[in-house]
Amino acid sequence: AQSVTQLDSHVSVSEGTPVLLRCNYSSSYSPSLFWYVQHPNKGLQLLLKYTSAATLVKGINGFEAEFKKSETSFHLTKPSAHMSDAAEYFCVVRLNQAGTALIFGKGTTLSVSS
Amino acid sequence: GAGVSQTPSNKVTEKGKYVELRCDPISGHTALYWYRQSLGQGPEFLIYFQGTGAADDSGLPNDRFFAVRPEGSVSTLKIQRTERGDSAVYLCASSLGAGVQETQYFGPGTRLLVL
Repeated sequence: AQSVTQLDSHVSVSEGTPVLLRCNYSSSYSPSLFWYVQHPNKGLQLLLKYTSAATLVKGINGFEAEFKKSETSFHLTKPSAHMSDAAEYFCVVRLNQAGTALIFGKGTTLSVSS
Repeated sequence: GAGVSQTPSNKVTEKGKYVELRCDPISGHTALYWYRQSLGQGPEFLIYFQGTGAADDSGLPNDRFFAVRPEGSVSTLKIQRTERGDSAVYLCASSLGAGVQETQYFGPGTRLLVL
């Protein structure tokens, strides 16, 4: 079975400081991993994805994540937070198998203060 | 181009009533997924269509929930005898195909409130 655990339900940072959102996964097989972002009253948007190629994945808006198999982690980082980054972030796992659904973590709310 | 659209954006109904939620996927996308997001939780899978057929309905919570996609494009999620516990945001996603490289694009959701 596949699952993800987002270690922090809420993260607060100041504008211009680094962002770290932590995610651990559990999977019987080599998974695909994603980060999605959800802004208030907007649809889920894909930030980045890992599908067994390079372990360091770069996404949109300056975000990146590193797949670490030994630690079963896929933490999301950004060097410098912007006010517009305030949103809900979901770590997601999927079997490397056609037609399988996404399995979401419970989400991390990122707050950015000026 | 147009993304995934869902109607209505909000739906308020009374316990015991029947509701239909509609999803218009991105044109040409053959795979369509329904998810449900309860307050404070991540989305949970309900059902997956490849073309017209439901390839995986293992996430439907019970037989009050049913979904169709008769022409392989628009899909309707149907909930009979609604219960207060059905209140949630229902999300639809589509992808070009079902392959593991395909990205699922999400609609804005339908917020269902059962009174």
